[in-house]
Amino acid sequence: KQEVTQIPAALSVPEGENLVLNCSFTDSAIYNLQWFRQDPGKGLTSLLLIQSSQREQTSGRLNASLDKSSGRSTLYIAASQPGDSATYLCAVPYGGATNKLIFGTGTLLAVQP
Amino acid sequence: GAVVSQHPSWVICKSGTSVKIECRSLDFQATTMFWYRQFPKQSLMLMATSNEGSKATYEQGVEKDKFLINHASLTLSTLTVTSAHPEDSSFYICSARTGFQLIFNEQFFGPGTRLTVL
Repeated sequence: KQEVTQIPAALSVPEGENLVLNCSFTDSAIYNLQWFRQDPGKGLTSLLLIQSSQREQTSGRLNASLDKSSGRSTLYIAASQPGDSATYLCAVPYGGATNKLIFGTGTLLAVQP
Repeated sequence: GAVVSQHPSWVICKSGTSVKIECRSLDFQATTMFWYRQFPKQSLMLMATSNEGSKATYEQGVEKDKFLINHASLTLSTLTVTSAHPEDSSFYICSARTGFQLIFNEQFFGPGTRLTVL
């Protein structure tokens, strides 16, 4: 059974700092991995999706890497800003043709001005 | 593109009543919709998968008679929480996907509905 965990559970950093969020999954046979952002009381915003054949994806100040063999993905946020404060979730598909997603436990990020 | 809406955004109801939550794909046809629930400070847990025109598939431990899902059209799915109780209070989020997207499992998420049962 696929299990997805995220470390740390919570993180507080001063503005401007570079930071790394970690995502681990137990079954390396994944098609892709997604990173999402969730603001308090809101839905999910997709940030990056990495296909299994890729090693990383970049969007602005965000860079996500994927190492399938070790069951890990990282989300790197450069020059953090207070507006980056949110919960970050990673997710992988499971269930074959049903294309369901299993979510990680999340990392609550607070960027202090 | 790929916008999903939910209505209502929040609802408060008395214990024992039923509540209906709508999930709409605004600019695409959703062949599959997913319903999640999220308890405070926890991650999303998939409740059920619904395909247009067929019965929903529920995850283990989710009562299908408690959480009624209808996906009658390619742009609308509804979740009805029947005889709601305080323990059903949660944040309910839907997502949708088409059958024609390049990334086969990419889902587009709604903004969520906060249900509080008194």
